[in-house]
Amino acid sequence: AQSVAQPEDQVNVAEGNPLTVKCTYSVSGNPYLFWYVQYPNRGLQFLLKYITGDNLVKGSYGFEAEFNKSQTSFHLKKPSALVSDSALYFCAVRDLTGGGNKLTFGTGTQLKVEL
Amino acid sequence: EAGVAQSPRYKIIEKRQSVAFWCNPISGHATLYWYQQILGQGPKLLIQFQNNGVVDDSQLPKDRFSAERLKGVDSTLKIQPAKLEDSAVYLCASSPPDTPSGGYTFGSGTRLTVV
Repeated sequence: AQSVAQPEDQVNVAEGNPLTVKCTYSVSGNPYLFWYVQYPNRGLQFLLKYITGDNLVKGSYGFEAEFNKSQTSFHLKKPSALVSDSALYFCAVRDLTGGGNKLTFGTGTQLKVEL
Repeated sequence: EAGVAQSPRYKIIEKRQSVAFWCNPISGHATLYWYQQILGQGPKLLIQFQNNGVVDDSQLPKDRFSAERLKGVDSTLKIQPAKLEDSAVYLCASSPPDTPSGGYTFGSGTRLTVV
């Protein structure tokens, strides 16, 4: 089965500093990888995805992610963090097992950006 | 375009009672998903519909959970009888029919508390 792992429950960073939220994946075949963000009492919002092509993917709100096949990683990054980036971030992989076309999510990483 | 609509936003019930959630996907989206998100965990797929047919319900606790998507548009998810461990946020998502690479849009969710 396809899976992703987010090794950090929480990441703290000062506003203006770069941030990284880590994700590693385990898939058979080519991975389709996604990042979503969830604000309190809100649904999941799409940030970016990697399907094929350039290993550096740019997404919404200034976020980007780097696909690294040798390290099976897909870390989320932003050059300069904002307090408003504080939220819960999920890495996900497209999973075709069971005959469907679903997303399998990691456990999430709480990002806290402080002044 | 209008997003994925879900209702109610919040629901509190006693254990052994029944509850139903409603979802209206984005117009034209043939695929509809119900996810369960328990506090501190990533969302987990319960059921996937393609039009009004079930594609994947392998993780749906069928002794107490049921879902339907009559006419291939909106959908209801029911729990009967509810258990304490069903306390979670229930997320509905939809995607267009030709979405091998993603395109999932999530609703804001229904937060269920079973007491």
